[in-house]
Amino acid sequence: GQSLEQPSEVTAVEGAIVQINCTYQTSGFYGLSWYQQHDGGAPTFLSYNALDGLEETGRFSSFLSRSDSYGYLLLQELQMKDSASYFCAVLYGQNFVFGPGTRLSVLP
Amino acid sequence: NAGVTQTPKFRVLKTGQSMTLLCAQDMNHEYMYWYRQDPGMGLRLIHYSVGEGTTAKGEVPDGYNVSRLKKQNFLLGLESAAPSQTSVYFCASSSQGVRHNEQYFGPGTRLTVT
Repeated sequence: GQSLEQPSEVTAVEGAIVQINCTYQTSGFYGLSWYQQHDGGAPTFLSYNALDGLEETGRFSSFLSRSDSYGYLLLQELQMKDSASYFCAVLYGQNFVFGPGTRLSVLP
Repeated sequence: NAGVTQTPKFRVLKTGQSMTLLCAQDMNHEYMYWYRQDPGMGLRLIHYSVGEGTTAKGEVPDGYNVSRLKKQNFLLGLESAAPSQTSVYFCASSSQGVRHNEQYFGPGTRLTVT
């Protein structure tokens, strides 16, 4: 089977940097994705890592190490609007599997 | 472009009733998905479709049926609703190739079964 683990909650202050980790137990997957979801809203796509290494998109970066079955999302220059839940997801065949989510609270 | 739309936004059903949730996308995407999300949890894949006329089971398919008669529409049916199906249902779509992992989600349908 496939399973992903994420910390349930992370708290940081405005302007800080925060890292949200994701570990997975699956093989034959096609990369790691990250999604953001505000309370009451729909998930929105943030980034995708097909290969090992770092992908940067503005204030957000995502990293993948397939040999360690591990990835993370890095958020820089945190803003209040970044308070949301963040999900990692893997594509296994045609089947997407999402992690349980990490709730990020950004404090003033 | 409207992106991905879902109908209805809210619904309350009694146990045993049936209903159909409609998802529509105007991005000409090949792939479409139905997820459920329970409070404080991640999304779980119910069924998916890789093209018009095709459907496949996801992680939690029991109690649901789907149809994709047109490329832009993906219907999710509950034949006999149960309280365990109280959840928020999200539809999503994505294109083929390298953009497959970039899913676009609809606003969700909040379903309560009493």
